Amino acid sequence: EDQVTQSPEALRLQEGESSSLNCSYTVSGLRGLFWYRQDPGKGPEFLFTLYSAGEEKEKERLKATLTKKESFLHITAPKPEDSATYLCAVQAQGAAGNKLTFGGGTRVLVKP
Amino acid sequence: GAGVSQSPRYKVAKRGQDVALRCDPISGHVSLFWYQQALGQGPEFLTYFQNEAQLDKSGLPSDRFFAERPEGSVSTLKIQRTQQEDSAVYLCASSLSPSGNTIYFGEGSWLTVV
Repeated sequence: EDQVTQSPEALRLQEGESSSLNCSYTVSGLRGLFWYRQDPGKGPEFLFTLYSAGEEKEKERLKATLTKKESFLHITAPKPEDSATYLCAVQAQGAAGNKLTFGGGTRVLVKP
Repeated sequence: GAGVSQSPRYKVAKRGQDVALRCDPISGHVSLFWYQQALGQGPEFLTYFQNEAQLDKSGLPSDRFFAERPEGSVSTLKIQRTQQEDSAVYLCASSLSPSGNTIYFGEGSWLTVV
């Protein structure tokens, strides 16, 4: 069974204080690893999909990296508007591989 | 439409009542997913459609849950005889391709069973 574990559960940062979020996963064969941002009362907003170990993607202050066992979401010099819950999910290869298996999320609060 | 649209956004149901939640995916998107999200947790998969075919319903928690997408576009998630443990946000998502490499979510339907 596919599993995704995110850490820490919550993260408090000062504005400008860079940090990293961890997503550890086990999957029979990885088709893709997804990162989403979710604001309170909203649906998840797509950020990145990573497909193979060593791949990196960037968007503004966010950078996602992937290894064979985990992914990191690096937040560089965060601003208060980066406060949100960040969700990681995996999609497995195979006939039943379309669904995403999510972790519990990391709640990030950036204080000015 | 510009994004995945869900209705109603908020629903309060009395225990035992039937509810129907609607999802309008992004136009032309082949794949459609339903997820359930409890407060403070990540979304959990319920079911998946490719066009009108329901290819995976392994996540539906009981036979009180039923989903359909009869014409391959709009989908409805129906919950019969609602119970308090059904209270959650129900998220719909769609993607252009069957492989679902970029999956877009709607804002969700918040269901509270009292």
